[in-house]
Amino acid sequence: KQEVTQIPAALSVPEGENLVLNCSFTDSAIYNLQWFRQDPGKGLTSLLLIQSSQREQTSGRLNASLDKSSGRSTLYIAASQPGDSATYLCAVAKAAGNKLTFGGGTRVLVKP
Amino acid sequence: NAGVMQNPRHLVRRRGQEARLRCSPMKGHSHVYWYRQLPEEGLKFMVYLQKENIIDESGMPKERFSAEFPKEGPSILRIQQVVRGDSAAYFCASSPQLAGKSTDTQYFGPGTRLTVL
Repeated sequence: KQEVTQIPAALSVPEGENLVLNCSFTDSAIYNLQWFRQDPGKGLTSLLLIQSSQREQTSGRLNASLDKSSGRSTLYIAASQPGDSATYLCAVAKAAGNKLTFGGGTRVLVKP
Repeated sequence: NAGVMQNPRHLVRRRGQEARLRCSPMKGHSHVYWYRQLPEEGLKFMVYLQKENIIDESGMPKERFSAEFPKEGPSILRIQQVVRGDSAAYFCASSPQLAGKSTDTQYFGPGTRLTVL
């Protein structure tokens, strides 16, 4: 059974610092991995999707790496801004169209 | 192209009543997934449906919960005889017809927040 863990559970940084969010999964046989952002009381916004054959994906200030063999992914957010404050979730899929297994999330606060 | 729509956004029920949650997938999407987020917990998969078919219901509680995705109309998650422990945010996601592309992603709706009094 796949288990996804995110550490730390919460993170507080001053504006401008780089953020590093970690995600680990127990079963390396994944199809893809997604990072999502969730604002309080809102739905999920997909940030990045990494295919199992890829090692990283980038979008603006966001960069996500994937090391499938060791069961790890890291989300980097450069030059953090107060607007980056949210909960960040990672999720893995075992196969195309398969259900997503989510981690517990990292709650980020960027202080002005 | 509107995103995934869910209604109602907030639903209050008393214990023993029925709750019906609706999800309209994005235009052209034929796959729907339901997830539940209990207070202070992560999202947990409940059920995966295609039009008129349940593909995977491994995350659905065995009793009181059912889901459908008819040929016409939205997907419905139905909870009978609700209890306080059913209070949670219920999210629906949709994805397009799969073509073997590994970039397929799930698009999430805003969720329905169910409160059971």
